[in-house]
Amino acid sequence: GENVEQHPSTLSVQEGDSAVIKCTYSDSASNYFPWYKQELGKRPQLIIDIRSNVGEKKDQRIAVTLNKTAKHFSLHITETQPEDSAVYFCAATQKGSQGNLIFGKGTKLSVKP
Amino acid sequence: NAGVTQTPKFQVLKTGQSMTLQCAQDMNHEYMSWYRQDPGMGLRLIHYSVGAGITDQGEVPNGYNVSRSTTEDFPLRLLSAAPSQTSVYFCASSPRPQTGRGYTFGSGTRLTVV
Repeated sequence: GENVEQHPSTLSVQEGDSAVIKCTYSDSASNYFPWYKQELGKRPQLIIDIRSNVGEKKDQRIAVTLNKTAKHFSLHITETQPEDSAVYFCAATQKGSQGNLIFGKGTKLSVKP
Repeated sequence: NAGVTQTPKFQVLKTGQSMTLQCAQDMNHEYMSWYRQDPGMGLRLIHYSVGAGITDQGEVPNGYNVSRSTTEDFPLRLLSAAPSQTSVYFCASSPRPQTGRGYTFGSGTRLTVV
């Protein structure tokens, strides 16, 4: 089955700096890669996603890149703000599955003002 | 349109007790699933369903049962609670089976087994 590895587990940056979180996946048939943000005590919420036929996607200060050959994808947050502090999860699903998402273990991002 | 509703929000059980975590969605989503979240472990899939009458096991199904008698409801049952089942449980639904897209999560149930 699919296995998703996420690094780093914790990340601390200064406000205004960039943050990068990386994930690798094991199943070459995986075709959809979402990123979720979870604030303390809240539910995970989708912030950006990418499909396997796209190499990069941007939405204001956040972007996701996908390298299918290397089987890894990354979340990039520019001009970080204190409200970006949260736990971020990457996930992957696979073509032909029943829509199951397999999640990485999460990255706790702290943005210091 | 309430989205995905989970009840209760908090629950304390004694070892060996049984209970049902409720999950309901009003978006007519075909796909529903249950995850548990433990510190440092991310979200792990327990069970899922692609429609009424159809359920299947995820990554960590042991100790849990599910059923899907209607499109709206997907309850998770703990038959004999164990301390290892202390966790936060999230229900999720999606309108697009086989794509993983459009997941909506409930607000979660924090379960403590003593």
